[in-house]
Amino acid sequence: EIVLTQSPATLSLSPGERATLSCRASQSFSRYLAWYQQKPGQAPRLLIYDESNRATGVPARFSGSGSGTDFTLTISSLEPEDFAIYYCQERRGNWLTFGGGTKVEIK
Amino acid sequence: QVHLQESGPGLVKPSGTLSLTCAVSGASISSSNWWTWVRQPPGKGLEWIGEIHYTGSSNYNESLESRVTISVDESKNEFSLKLSSVTAADTAVYYCARVGVQMGLPIDSWGQGTLVSISS
Repeated sequence: EIVLTQSPATLSLSPGERATLSCRASQSFSRYLAWYQQKPGQAPRLLIYDESNRATGVPARFSGSGSGTDFTLTISSLEPEDFAIYYCQERRGNWLTFGGGTKVEIK
Repeated sequence: QVHLQESGPGLVKPSGTLSLTCAVSGASISSSNWWTWVRQPPGKGLEWIGEIHYTGSSNYNESLESRVTISVDESKNEFSLKLSSVTAADTAVYYCARVGVQMGLPIDSWGQGTLVSISS
């Protein structure tokens, strides 16, 4: 079973700052990694798929990258609406796994 | 634009069976997409439950597989979840969603979610 470990658990930043979120897999990545954003009381929203592709309507300040077992979601300059919880997710064959999430909160 | 809407009882008794339906509009359930269920216990992270294709092929989370059945009804353009022998640990917001057709098959559209509580 693949385990995805996200860090940090909480990231305290101010609007305009750069956010760097990490997702590490217990085994080498398939590169089929996705990132989701979830705001309180809402369903998750797809941000990034296949490691680095932005979903429809996702602003360019969101970017994804990866190498080996480490994957990163970067928000270049935080907007007020970006404060939320972010989950990474990977698919391996017929199995789908989510990371535990990183909360990006206002400092 | 696809819209997914969950429906079903919000309260289920322990040892009973949780049953939810997801109505799909704006897309055909008989398309190439898979359709999936994800749950989220209060204050916790996301857990994948399983998925189904209209052809009847399905995949389940191994930790839940013995208790889960996901089915599809093409005539109604909907799919359903049944989870048996429920306990308080199954209390969660249950989301139905569509799996995209990109290489990594990400979940590209989600329902709003429905809270199901397990309690006597």
